[in-house]
Amino acid sequence: AQRVTQPEKLLSVFKGAPVELKCNYSYSGSPELFWYVQYSRQRLQLLLRHISRESIKGFTADLNKGETSFHLKKPFAQEEDSAMYYCALGQTGANNLFFGTGTRLTVIP
Amino acid sequence: DVKVTQSSRYLVKRTGEKVFLECVQDMDHENMFWYRQDPGLGLRLIYFSYDVKMKEKGDIPEGYSVSREKKERFSLILESASTNQTSMYLCASWAGGAPGELFFGEGSRLTVL
Repeated sequence: AQRVTQPEKLLSVFKGAPVELKCNYSYSGSPELFWYVQYSRQRLQLLLRHISRESIKGFTADLNKGETSFHLKKPFAQEEDSAMYYCALGQTGANNLFFGTGTRLTVIP
Repeated sequence: DVKVTQSSRYLVKRTGEKVFLECVQDMDHENMFWYRQDPGLGLRLIYFSYDVKMKEKGDIPEGYSVSREKKERFSLILESASTNQTSMYLCASWAGGAPGELFFGEGSRLTVL
């Protein structure tokens, strides 16, 4: 069965420090992985997807099929990065995404 | 700008009341979803619809039903609200095809007393 695990519910880092939000998945097929973000008082929105291999707001995420991971990274955290982050798994041919439990990131000034 | 609109941002209901949560999207998307968002539990799928009048159960459908009479509108119904249904409810839509971007509404925070 498909599953998405985000082991950290809360993560605090200082401004300017590197940040890594962990995501592991369990899926027997070829996964589609996404990171969604929800800033305070804003709607949940897509941050990035693995097939795009792009950097959004300084964040990157690499799909590691060997470790079944899709960790989100940023070399220098900013205060505006404070938000709730969700990792999500999509399956080819399926109509929905499976979300992890989320990690609340706080960047300390 | 794409838009998913949830008509009620905050609701307070009493146990046993019938509750309607409405969601409208203006993107002509085939797929619409209702999620429940709880701290520590993340987003859990209640129901989704891939076409008008079509619906599929998600992970936690018990105590909920849905209605999709028009493509742009997807309603979540709590037939008899209970206190454990106090939560944030998120509606989302998706064009379909390969797994891709879900567009979310702002959420409806329901409190059942």
